[in-house]
Amino acid sequence: DAKTTQPPSMDCAEGRAANLPCNHSTISGNEYVYWYRQIHSQGPQYIIHGLKNNETNEMASLIITEDRKSSTLILPHATLRDTAVYYCIVRVFNQGGKLIFGQGTELSVKP
Amino acid sequence: GAVVSQHPSRVICKSGTSVKIECRSLDFQATTMFWYRQFPKQSLMLMATSNEGSKATYEQGVEKDKFLINHASLTLSTLTVTSAHPEDSSFYICSAINSGGPSSYNEQFFGPGTRLTVL
Repeated sequence: DAKTTQPPSMDCAEGRAANLPCNHSTISGNEYVYWYRQIHSQGPQYIIHGLKNNETNEMASLIITEDRKSSTLILPHATLRDTAVYYCIVRVFNQGGKLIFGQGTELSVKP
Repeated sequence: GAVVSQHPSRVICKSGTSVKIECRSLDFQATTMFWYRQFPKQSLMLMATSNEGSKATYEQGVEKDKFLINHASLTLSTLTVTSAHPEDSSFYICSAINSGGPSSYNEQFFGPGTRLTVL
């Protein structure tokens, strides 16, 4: 599975959009981009995934560049409860395989 | 939504004893479960893949005789830390794949984690 690079930490003001970048320059054609988050002392929570088109759900939006070498997770109106470590992972869809977590981005939403 | 539970949520034990951690998929069947370990301020590290009815597959560097995994049913996997030592103190997290749903739901669902402290 391709490796990902994320900034170690970011701050965001409450109510503002949080934009979390991820670089995956070695992504393969059949690999999807997944985002998970982990709130302190809890198990990871699935957020969203995509292949090449932008995706949106009730939690977030995922913007993938045309060359697929990077992506951005957008939390449109960040709240204090969004403070967590966000992990960007690339892997083949539905392979039933393991997830390899990188270091992630620690997002701090401040009042 | 799919729910995965772990028991216990936290455990404290003496050095040299064994500790069993349970991972259950509550509303779906899971032929495949995964076990992760997480040290403070670090990311999750995959320890092993647990397959129902067969032997677990361990990641490189993980001692299979120390971390015993049993996946005897489609809803339960157990991790036993044998002869625990203080360096085994960590946050252990399991995940499960819904093997009974449509392929689009073949996604991993994580348990809440178990905090192990070895004195």
